[in-house]
Amino acid sequence: DQQVKQNSPSLSVQEGRISILNCDYTNSMFDYFLWYKKYPAEGPTFLISISSIKDKNEDGRFTVFLNKSAKHLSLHIVPSQPGDSAVYFCAASAAGNTPLVFGKGTRLSVIA
Amino acid sequence: KAGVTQTPRYLIKTRGQQVTLSCSPISGHRSVSWYQQTPGQGLQFLFEYFSETQRNKGNFPGRFSGRQFSNSRSEMNVSTLELGDSALYLCASSFLSSGGDEQFFGPGTRLTVL
Repeated sequence: DQQVKQNSPSLSVQEGRISILNCDYTNSMFDYFLWYKKYPAEGPTFLISISSIKDKNEDGRFTVFLNKSAKHLSLHIVPSQPGDSAVYFCAASAAGNTPLVFGKGTRLSVIA
Repeated sequence: KAGVTQTPRYLIKTRGQQVTLSCSPISGHRSVSWYQQTPGQGLQFLFEYFSETQRNKGNFPGRFSGRQFSNSRSEMNVSTLELGDSALYLCASSFLSSGGDEQFFGPGTRLTVL
């Protein structure tokens, strides 16, 4: 049973346009959500996070939106750059010392 | 500050053998988590160690085990290797908890089982 779902395995976007990566979750106990980016031959690196008490968090070109009622979050990248081409993982955790649960990832390709 | 290091980076084994992977966390981090990444499966949680104690365990068979030393370095062991164990094994460290804290990942160990 997948608790964190990224239904789009891949996404292609033109340079300068907006990239929107989506993530759905099923566990209503999740209260902390993170996005990680992974380049080939490297480990994932933390990108941005959001707590369930907020519905939006921004960091430069990256914004994460959380819709708790729909159990849905999205990552917006504006404007998209070729260097953003990577696999993006959505992750979630519940309160307490519970491990992160990751989605299967979405491969973003930003075309120049 | 040095990042998370994993050794070896690449490993080739045959079915039935066993393997030990090593992870050195960021200095000061007490939590070390291990993940398996296979194509199309994302990151599957294996286990987390905190102050030498296993705190969480994922849904993997007993062939997968781990331990953490007093200096927070961690090892994971896979016995009786199967072809399906071929994967990228990632280690991540955090200061407190694998769930509530940002995790810092190492580059991974690519294991190939022939």
